[in-house]
Amino acid sequence: EVQLVESGGGLVKPGGSLRLSCAASGFTFSTSNMNWVRQTPGKGPEWVSYISSTSSYIYYTDSVKGRFTISRDNVKDSLFLQMNSLRAEDTAVYYCVGDFGSSTNPWGKGTTVTVSS
Amino acid sequence: DIQMTQSPSSLSASVGDRVTITCRTSQGIRNDLGWYQQKPGKAPKRLIYGASSLQSGVPSRFSGSGSGTEFTLTISSLQPEDFATYYCLQYNGYSPTFGQGTKVEAK
Repeated sequence: EVQLVESGGGLVKPGGSLRLSCAASGFTFSTSNMNWVRQTPGKGPEWVSYISSTSSYIYYTDSVKGRFTISRDNVKDSLFLQMNSLRAEDTAVYYCVGDFGSSTNPWGKGTTVTVSS
Repeated sequence: DIQMTQSPSSLSASVGDRVTITCRTSQGIRNDLGWYQQKPGKAPKRLIYGASSLQSGVPSRFSGSGSGTEFTLTISSLQPEDFATYYCLQYNGYSPTFGQGTKVEAK
């Protein structure tokens, strides 16, 4: 069974940091491009970042450039999102998501990040 | 960035109705578009990819069409489990964008 399980969310003060992790199973992670998508309650999803299968290509939405870093470990089938200088507007559920163009496109259940003093 | 215009933002329908939702993009995206269904407290679930390919396991009452800049999701006969919010997503290029969403409610 294809599965993505996020962890690492929590409550953090503005300016703080968090590192999200995503454990993949049930598919060949090492050949899959991956994404992080976030969603604020009551709003639509927002794409955050993309990393290609070999980490050769990395992209971010403008609002997180310079603050967030996506990475992966193809030996441990894991995806990461290092989030620094967090702001209130980064509060959201963060989803680990497979390649949008593939025939499977798995999503995790999400991990909640709350940025508040 | 490619802008998405999804309509309507909400609609009221009855079981058995035919439902159509539209997404327009600010520039051509070939067929790099997916449709997602989301229920409260759950992650989005993809229904359609490549504008018209049905995701494995999704009922055949869901269909997608279009290419270029105009796309449509059709539910041929609305079922009780289909009341949800639907989003389009374009994934052409390096900055995927979601539509604003369409909430399908019971009339």
